[in-house]
Amino acid sequence: EDKVVQSPLSLVVHEGDTVTLNCSYEVTNFRSLLWYKQEKKAPTFLFMLTSSGIEKKSGRLSSILDKKELFSILNITATQTGDSAVYLCAGAGGTSYGKLTFGQGTILTVHP
Amino acid sequence: DADVTQTPRNRITKTGKRIMLECSQTKGHDRMYWYRQDPGLGLRLIYYSFDVKDINKGEISDGYSVSRQAQAKFSLSLESAIPNQTALYFCATSDGGDGTDTQYFGPGTRLTVL
Repeated sequence: EDKVVQSPLSLVVHEGDTVTLNCSYEVTNFRSLLWYKQEKKAPTFLFMLTSSGIEKKSGRLSSILDKKELFSILNITATQTGDSAVYLCAGAGGTSYGKLTFGQGTILTVHP
Repeated sequence: DADVTQTPRNRITKTGKRIMLECSQTKGHDRMYWYRQDPGLGLRLIYYSFDVKDINKGEISDGYSVSRQAQAKFSLSLESAIPNQTALYFCATSDGGDGTDTQYFGPGTRLTVL
């Protein structure tokens, strides 16, 4: 059975801090690792990672995958109150594209 | 207009009632999914469908059933609702033919079973 574990489960920081969110996975025939942001509504797509060591970046957010150690990290620099959300990671594998196994999520709270 | 829509957005019902949650999409995707979200448990897959004639159970399908009426419509039913089915339910879609695993989510239905 596929498994995805995120840590920490919750995190409280102040604006301007840098945070690192962790995601480890055990996914049969692993193909990709995805990150989503959820702000009291539907999860929205952030990144999809398929190759080790290649950083994906979008503004202050970046993510990288380590396929040898089976984990990914999501970094957020210079955090803002608008970054407060639940961050979900999900693993995909097997022979069919699209089926995901999600982790529990990390609740990030950014105080002014 | 939203690409993935869910109705109703909120529903309160009583134990034993039959409930149907509906999902429609205009993305033209073949693949559709139903998840439930509980605090601290992330998203758990209930059922998924890779095309109109293909329906598969997810990790927590007991107590639920689905119907794929058309490529664009995927409904989730609770035949006899119970309080521990109180949760936030999401529908999602993906395009299996584009070589990616990205899923796109509807706005969610908050279901409360009393």
